[in-house]
Amino acid sequence: SQQGEEDPQALSIQEGENATMNCSYKTSINNLQWYRQNSGRGLVHLILIRSNEREKHSGRLRVTLDTSKKSSSLLITASRAADTASYFCATEGYNNNDMRFGAGTRLTVKP
Amino acid sequence: DADVTQTPRNRITKTGKRIMLECSQTKGHDRMYWYRQDPGLGLRLIYYSFDVKDINKGEISDGYSVSRQAQAKFSLSLESAIPNQTALYFCATSDLGRTGANVLTFGAGSRLTVL
Repeated sequence: SQQGEEDPQALSIQEGENATMNCSYKTSINNLQWYRQNSGRGLVHLILIRSNEREKHSGRLRVTLDTSKKSSSLLITASRAADTASYFCATEGYNNNDMRFGAGTRLTVKP
Repeated sequence: DADVTQTPRNRITKTGKRIMLECSQTKGHDRMYWYRQDPGLGLRLIYYSFDVKDINKGEISDGYSVSRQAQAKFSLSLESAIPNQTALYFCATSDLGRTGANVLTFGAGSRLTVL
C-alpha cells in the first residue's frame, strides 16, 4: 500500500502564482522526499527533508514537515510554465529499505 | 549517456509471453529498484536489491522475478505476461552515501502493453 497521499490530485494556476501541494503519510519516517515527473518520463529528485527538520529551501522550492501531523507541504513560488509536471512525495522508514510513493499531484501552470 | 538506462523503452506483447526489462547504471550505486506506475496509483515497489547477492520482494512482487547480474545490471522478468501488467516500469538506483538517505535516480521508464 502507498505510504504517502498527495493533495490536491490536480492543481491549475497562472504563471507567477505560488503552488502548494500537500502530502500525508501514515507511519514514522526517517525522511521525506519530493520528486518531479514530466509527462511519461522518469522521476527527478527535488528535495529531501529529514524527520528532525521542519523546513528546507532550495531555490524556488520550500518544503515543510510536521511529524506530529504526519504531513508535509511543497511550495513552489513564482511558478513558471516549465514547472508543469506531476509532483510526488516519497517516505523512507528508519530501516532505509525502500521508498514509498504517493499518487502525486498534477500541476499545470498556464502561461 | 543516461546514468540509468532502461531497455526496451516501449514493448507490446501478448498474454502468456515472457518479457524481460533490463536496467543498467553507471552511477556506481549498490542499490537498485524496480517500480511500477499506474495512472492514479503512483509508484509501487516490485523488487529491490542492495547488492549482487541480495534480492528482496516489494509490495507487488507476484507475477514478477528479477535478476541482479552485476552491480550495474538489474533485470525484471514477467514469466507469463497478463493484461493487468500493462504499466510504465521504472528502474531506480540509490546509494546511502554521505546523506544516509536513499535518494533515487530513475531511468526513463519502459512502457509495457500486454494484449
